Amino acid sequence: SQTIHQWPATLVQPVGSPLSLECTVEGTSNPNLYWYRQAAGRGLQLLFYSVGIGQISSEVPQNLSASRPQDRQFILSSKKLLLSDSGFYLCAWSSRTRGANVLTFGAGSRLTVL
Amino acid sequence: GNSVTQMEGPVTLSEEAFLTINCTYTATGYPSLFWYVQYPGEGLQLLLKATKADDKGSNKGFEATYRKETTSFHLEKGSVQVSDSAVYFCALSGASRLTFGEGTQLTVNP
Repeated sequence: SQTIHQWPATLVQPVGSPLSLECTVEGTSNPNLYWYRQAAGRGLQLLFYSVGIGQISSEVPQNLSASRPQDRQFILSSKKLLLSDSGFYLCAWSSRTRGANVLTFGAGSRLTVL
Repeated sequence: GNSVTQMEGPVTLSEEAFLTINCTYTATGYPSLFWYVQYPGEGLQLLLKATKADDKGSNKGFEATYRKETTSFHLEKGSVQVSDSAVYFCALSGASRLTFGEGTQLTVNP
């Protein structure tokens, strides 16, 4: 069966520090991968999605970046965090063979920038 | 572009009450429609979906019908439980991605 792992689950970082959130998917190959952010009391904002290794589409211009060094690995990064980067970050995947419609989410990573 | 508008929350109900959470959408073509649920501190889980007009998705006592004429996909449950307390997200499919509504917080009191 397919599983998705995100880490770390919780992170507290000072303003200006770097960030790396990692997401891996098991039990499938060639998935579509996504990073969403959920700010407090707000809905989901799509940040990045990827349809293959090295293929990243950015939805919102900001100080975050994403990389996909391997087929089932998706990394969210920042060189210098801002206060506004605080939120709940969710990684998700979908199967291309079953259509890009159904997303399976990880448990999320809660980032607090102080 | 695609967009989803959800009923504003929070919604507070007593156990066994009837639930409706409204969702309307704007989209080109014929998207699939979804409801996701997020329990406290967790990621989102797919609750139900419908892929074409007049389809009814159902799961765990929840139902939603894809209404093309009113561009709606309202979520309903006849008798809510305390364990249904969560945030509910309506979503529609687009090119390689989903567009989500803002989410509706539901609290069910015993």
